[in-house]
Formats: sequence, structure tokens, C-alpha cells
Amino acid sequence: DQQVKQNSPSLSVQEGRISILNCDYTNSMFDYFLWYKKYPAEGPTFLISISSIKDKNEDGRFTVFLNKSAKHLSLHIVPSQPGDSAVYFCAASEGTGGGNKLTFGTGTQLKVEL
Amino acid sequence: DAGVTQSPTHLIKTRGQQVTLRCSPISGHKSVSWYQQVLGQGPQFIFQYYEKEERGRGNFPDRFSARQFPNYSSELNVNALLLGDSALYLCASSLRDPRGLAKNIQYFGAGTRLSVL
Repeated sequence: DQQVKQNSPSLSVQEGRISILNCDYTNSMFDYFLWYKKYPAEGPTFLISISSIKDKNEDGRFTVFLNKSAKHLSLHIVPSQPGDSAVYFCAASEGTGGGNKLTFGTGTQLKVEL
Repeated sequence: DAGVTQSPTHLIKTRGQQVTLRCSPISGHKSVSWYQQVLGQGPQFIFQYYEKEERGRGNFPDRFSARQFPNYSSELNVNALLLGDSALYLCASSLRDPRGLAKNIQYFGAGTRLSVL
């Protein structure tokens, strides 16, 4: 039972444009959500997070939106840069703060083209 | 500051053997978690430890075990290896008690790539 789903295995975007990565979840007990970026031969790198008490969180070029009623979150990257090309994982946790067990999606491969 | 370090980086074993993977958390971090990532999937939670106590266990067989030492480093042991255990094993550390209320991000190491032949 996939509790966190990333339905797009890949996404291709031109440099300078917006990248939108989507994530859906089914477990209503999840209350903290995170995005990690992963390059080949490296571990996942934390990008940005959001608590369920918020609907938006921004950090530089990265913004995460949370729609609790739809059980949907998205990551916006503006403007996209070639160095953003990586696999992006959405993760969720129960309890608080993201320190608890993380449930991951299957990832979206983002390719930013020149 | 050093991040999460894992050793070895790569490992090749044969079916039925046993393996021990090691993890050193970020300095000051007291919680360590282990995840298994098979090709094409997201990481799956195996164990979580805080202050040497097991705080969570994922849906993995008893062949998998772990422990945390007084210096907060951790080992993951897998006995009677199967072909299906071939995966990237990731260790993550976080600063605080996983049951606490504060923001508590998990930071990952580069992983140990285990191949079972």
C-alpha cells in the first residue's frame, strides 16, 4: 500500500522556467512533509519542509504548497537551473517535525535542459 | 562539519552470509534511522534509534537487526542474506528525540551499496 505517491516518474523543463513536482498521500495522520533531492551516488539531501498547520513554505527558489483537503503537495522551483537536475523524493511523517519514521514516494527524475 | 558517514561504501556478499553496516551521525545528533532503497523505489524505513533505545521498526524480517552505541553511532546487521537484500542502505541522523514536538529534520549519508550474489 503506497501511502505517498509521486505519479510522474520524470519531468523535463527548460532552464529558467518553473518546475512543478507533485505528491499525493493517503494517510491522514501525516502531519509533516519534506522534499529531498538525490544525485547519483549520493544520499538524499534535505530541501524544504512544511508542517500541516501551514499551506505554503518558501526558501529561495523553492516553494512547497500543501493542500490538506486534497491530500496533495507540490514543490515549485523557480527559476529552474541545470544543477537542479536530480531525483526528487517527497516524504511524510506522523508525530511532529520530520524526526519520526519517514514514508517516501517513488521519486520524480527532474531534467532541466539548457 | 562532517555529515553522516557510512561505511563501507560498497559491499559484495553471497547468499546466506551476514553483513554489518556502520553509520556515524552528525556531531550532536542523537537519533539514527536506517532505510533500504531498492532500484526505482523510494527509501523504506527499517529502524530508528534514540539514546540507544529502539524507537521504531519497519516491516522487515527478524534477519535485520540494529543497535546504537553510547557515542550515538549505529550498526545495521543483516543475517542469512537473500538476493532481494541487494539495495542501497541509507543512514539518517537527526538532532532531537523523534517523539518531540520541534522541527527535527533527518539528514542522510551517502549510503552503503550492498550486492548479494
